[in-house]
Amino acid sequence: AQSVTQPDIHITVSEGASLELRCNYSYGATPYLFWYVQSPGQGLQLLLKYFSGDTLVQGIKGFEAEFKRSQSSFNLRKPSVHWSDAAEYFCAVSDQRNYGGSQGNLIFGKGTKLSVKP
Amino acid sequence: DAGVIQSPRHEVTEMGQEVTLRCKPISGHDYLFWYRQTMMRGLELLIYFNNNVPIDDSGMPEDRFSAKMPNASFSTLKIQPSEPRDSAVYFCASSLPPQSSYNSPLHFGNGTRLTVT
Repeated sequence: AQSVTQPDIHITVSEGASLELRCNYSYGATPYLFWYVQSPGQGLQLLLKYFSGDTLVQGIKGFEAEFKRSQSSFNLRKPSVHWSDAAEYFCAVSDQRNYGGSQGNLIFGKGTKLSVKP
Repeated sequence: DAGVIQSPRHEVTEMGQEVTLRCKPISGHDYLFWYRQTMMRGLELLIYFNNNVPIDDSGMPEDRFSAKMPNASFSTLKIQPSEPRDSAVYFCASSLPPQSSYNSPLHFGNGTRLTVT
């Protein structure tokens, strides 16, 4: 069965420092991979996605993620964190074969809460 | 574009009562999804619709849960009778039609926080 693991429940970084949030997936075929961000009291917003091609994908708000098939990972990075990046981040995987033209059949990780120190 | 609109934002009810959560998707989006978010289980897909038709309801936890989409602009998720373990945040999301959805993300509402006492 598909699964997504985000090993870090909570991470604290200083403003201006670099950030890497880890995501590992378990899936037999090539998945579609996503990162979403959730601010307090809000719904989720898509940061970036990987379907195929270049394994380094750029997203909104200065985030990027790299797909590494050999490690079954899709880690999210940002070179310099801003206080407004404090939120919860979710990695998700979708079944490429049963994609059906929709991103709704996503399997989400449990999320990583990011705190930013001044 | 007002985005996906959910109501109410907060719902507190007593065990055994019926609860109805509402969702208005973004106009033109023909996929609609209901998710539940809890600390223990994270985000779970409950059900999704395409063109108002339920496609996959395998995530609906029990018969106490039901969802409808009577038209393209409205969906409900009903819990009857409600139980304390149903306490969670329920999200509705929508997305564009298949031919364009490869580049279209899910658009989430702000959720309904349900507390069953």
